[in-house]
Amino acid sequence: AQTVTQSQPEMSVQEAETVTLSCTYDTSESDYYLFWYKQPPSRQMILVIRQEAYKQQNATENRFSVNFQKAAKSFSLKISDSQLGDAAMYFCALEYGNKLVFGAGTILRVKS
Amino acid sequence: DTGVSQDPRHKITKRGQNVTFRCDPISEHNRLYWYRQTLGQGPEFLTYFQNEAQLEKSRLLSDRFSAERPKGSFSTLEIQRTEQGDSAMYLCASSSWGRGSRSTDTQYFGPGTRLTVL
Repeated sequence: AQTVTQSQPEMSVQEAETVTLSCTYDTSESDYYLFWYKQPPSRQMILVIRQEAYKQQNATENRFSVNFQKAAKSFSLKISDSQLGDAAMYFCALEYGNKLVFGAGTILRVKS
Repeated sequence: DTGVSQDPRHKITKRGQNVTFRCDPISEHNRLYWYRQTLGQGPEFLTYFQNEAQLEKSRLLSDRFSAERPKGSFSTLEIQRTEQGDSAMYLCASSSWGRGSRSTDTQYFGPGTRLTVL
């Protein structure tokens, strides 16, 4: 079975600081995609970043970057220069069999 | 390019009633997905369509649930004889599959329909 585990139910970061959200997954596939989605309170889910498993280079999108460790099946998200607008629930997801398998999410709080 | 839209945004119903939700995907996206999200949890897959064909249904999708995408554009999700356990956020997503240099399935989500069953 494909599983995604986010071990941090909640994280806090000071504005302008850096925070890392953890995600581990399990899959028997060798070629797959991993995603981080952001879900602000009462708002829709937004794609933050995508990683293709066959690419060794870590994906980066502006202040967001990932640390993809394929052998360890780890996929963490680093947010640099945190902003108040980054406060949200963050979901890690694995594409499997044409659908997404999500973790339970991590609530990120940003302190001013 | 407008995003995925869902209607209604909120639905309150009494146990035993039928409800229907609509999803309009991003135009020209050939895949459409339905997920269910309960409070504090990640979304769980329900079903997906490629064009008008329903290709997979989760075991979560009981016989009381039916989804259609009759012309390969918008989709409806109907729940018959609603139960309190059906209360959740129902999310729709769409993607453009198989049209790039490498098949990918980046799914873009709508705002969801929040169902409350009393």
